[in-house]
Amino acid sequence: QSALTQPPSASGSPGQSVTISCTGTSSDVGGYNYVSWYQQHPGKAPKLIIYEVSKRPSGVPDRFSGSKSGNTASLTVSGLQAEDEADYYCGSYAGINNLRVFGGGTKLTVL
Amino acid sequence: QVQLVQSGAEVKRPGASVKVSCKASGYSFTTYAISWVRQTPGQGLEWMGWMSAYNGDTNYAQRFQGRVTMTTDTSTSTAYLELRGLRSDDTAIYYCARELEFKDDYWGQGTLVTVSS
Repeated sequence: QSALTQPPSASGSPGQSVTISCTGTSSDVGGYNYVSWYQQHPGKAPKLIIYEVSKRPSGVPDRFSGSKSGNTASLTVSGLQAEDEADYYCGSYAGINNLRVFGGGTKLTVL
Repeated sequence: QVQLVQSGAEVKRPGASVKVSCKASGYSFTTYAISWVRQTPGQGLEWMGWMSAYNGDTNYAQRFQGRVTMTTDTSTSTAYLELRGLRSDDTAIYYCARELEFKDDYWGQGTLVTVSS
């Protein structure tokens, strides 16, 4: 059982927006601004697309955005494109003992 | 460019140990930490632990404590993950990643470890 809860699937048509949630507790998502999001295509390693809740690494399109409210973080993908079809994982700092936790992942389908 | 290149696939018997390597290039190795994350077949990501390449500090996920050792060789910019007492449910892809401030910004290609009798 993953420490952070994500919906197993999400979908949208090209050009639409979709939001994926990531729910934790006050000991992880809600307690720190160290939420990251990773994109993983089949057979590939994960790729960092959002860090510190809402920051984008260089080269990541601004169609990807992140936010947080209380114990729930969200990833929004705007202007969906076919290449956005992938698995998305959230991760969070969870304090000095647990350090890091991940969500179970969400499979995004572009219809 | 930053690269993390991991060692090849392994097949191990239950009870054995495995040691996976992760050779870094393209950046100052001791400026960052290395995280290890595994992914079981068709499942999500699981954080295993972290090691500072600067001072050797480690922090292991509780469920792996006593079975895992992470080390680095700064002379070759290589990180190592050793997992002992392998069980069938340790069958997974093991990833190393460059870590700074709780984000993993570059990942290795992954190493498949299969545990089977």
